Amino acid sequence: NAGVTQTPKFQVLKTGQSMTLQCAQDMNHEYMSWYRQDPGMGLRLIHYSVGAGITDQGEVPNGYNVSRSTTEDFPLRLLSAAPSQTSVYFCASSLTEGNTEAFFGQGTRLTVV
Amino acid sequence: GEDVEQSLFLSVREGDSSVINCTYTDSSSTYLYWYKQEPGAGLQLLTYIFSNMDMKQDQRLTVLLNKKDKHLSLRIADTQTGDSAIYFCAESISNFNKFYFGSGTKLNVKP
Repeated sequence: NAGVTQTPKFQVLKTGQSMTLQCAQDMNHEYMSWYRQDPGMGLRLIHYSVGAGITDQGEVPNGYNVSRSTTEDFPLRLLSAAPSQTSVYFCASSLTEGNTEAFFGQGTRLTVV
Repeated sequence: GEDVEQSLFLSVREGDSSVINCTYTDSSSTYLYWYKQEPGAGLQLLTYIFSNMDMKQDQRLTVLLNKKDKHLSLRIADTQTGDSAIYFCAESISNFNKFYFGSGTKLNVKP
């Protein structure tokens, strides 16, 4: 049971480049979400999904797109990377509405130069 | 978004108790959580408490919740060097499985 898998673990982008951060879970979880972690700011919610075909914005959605075509995958797209998007990104999933535990991936450290 | 606040650092000696504090603003929180993050790793759920409880104990961990003051604390008894990590307080609101995290408290355990 792999849990929540994020790829890549590290990435360096140039300003203006695009890329997709991958997130997959094999636990048949309905809820998936993306967070960014910045020093002294905890984790901030970017986008989330309550099930396949349904996504919504979190606290800091600007500059990011998501889609949820399958239950297992929830990719995060940066259309035109900016230095302000340098951060550590975490994907999380949980089973059902009101479930008590979110399982986190290992994180993707992204640097935009 | 919701406001969840924690102090940034705590340093204790091995064998002492650690108390990490957290305050939150939303009184409709359903669950409150403590997560642990070790260097280079994701977040691991340590424990959680329902908002209608005021205390939960789980081995060396004791969670206290004061709903009136919107204050949550995590006490780690007999703190070990392996407990050194960043501890995040988080809340989730009603039926939504969205989490609001504090900035994290870095616990340093000195031998």
